Amino acid sequence: AQKVTQAQTEISVVEKEDVTLDCVYETRDTTYYLFWYKQPPSGELVFLIRRNSFDEQNEISGRYSWNFQKSTSSFNFTITASQVVDSAVYFCALKSNTDKLIFGTGTRLQVFP
Amino acid sequence: DAGVTQSPTHLIKTRGQHVTLRCSPISGHKSVSWYQQVLGQGPQFIFQYYEKEERGRGNFPDRFSARQFPNYSSELNVNALLLGDSALYLCASSFPPAGGYNEQFFGPGTRLTVL
Repeated sequence: AQKVTQAQTEISVVEKEDVTLDCVYETRDTTYYLFWYKQPPSGELVFLIRRNSFDEQNEISGRYSWNFQKSTSSFNFTITASQVVDSAVYFCALKSNTDKLIFGTGTRLQVFP
Repeated sequence: DAGVTQSPTHLIKTRGQHVTLRCSPISGHKSVSWYQQVLGQGPQFIFQYYEKEERGRGNFPDRFSARQFPNYSSELNVNALLLGDSALYLCASSFPPAGGYNEQFFGPGTRLTVL
């Protein structure tokens, strides 16, 4: 069975703080794909990043960075110097060779000025 | 280019009624998936359609059905509505081939309230 766990339900930080959102996944597939989505209050899911199971390189995009570790089945997301506009619910998701995404329960990030 | 569009934006129904939700994928996308997101939870997969055929089904009762039209738009139908069907219904489209590494683009969702 496939499963995604986001243990942090809600995180509150003050602007300019760094924050890391945790994601742990379970799958028996050798080929799989991991995603992070952002869901602002409007409700639309905004794609942030994807990773395949054969690419463990970490990635940095501006203030965002992702750490993928197969050894611990984790795909964590760090926001550096957080801003109020980063406030949203963030979802980690997993899929294999279909379009079926398995989502975690999400982490609500609140960034206060 | 237009993204994934969904209609209506909001909907209020009463228990026992039927509802139809609509989704138009991004131009050129042939795969459409539906997800249900109950408040405070992550989206749950309901259906996937590719080239007008059902390619996947989540753990939802037979009251839920869907179809895809020749223009690749899709409808999600829910019969005999229950209070627990209140949720945000999200549609996602992807470029073929379906599955694997391809990214899914999500629409803004339809918020269904069942009273």
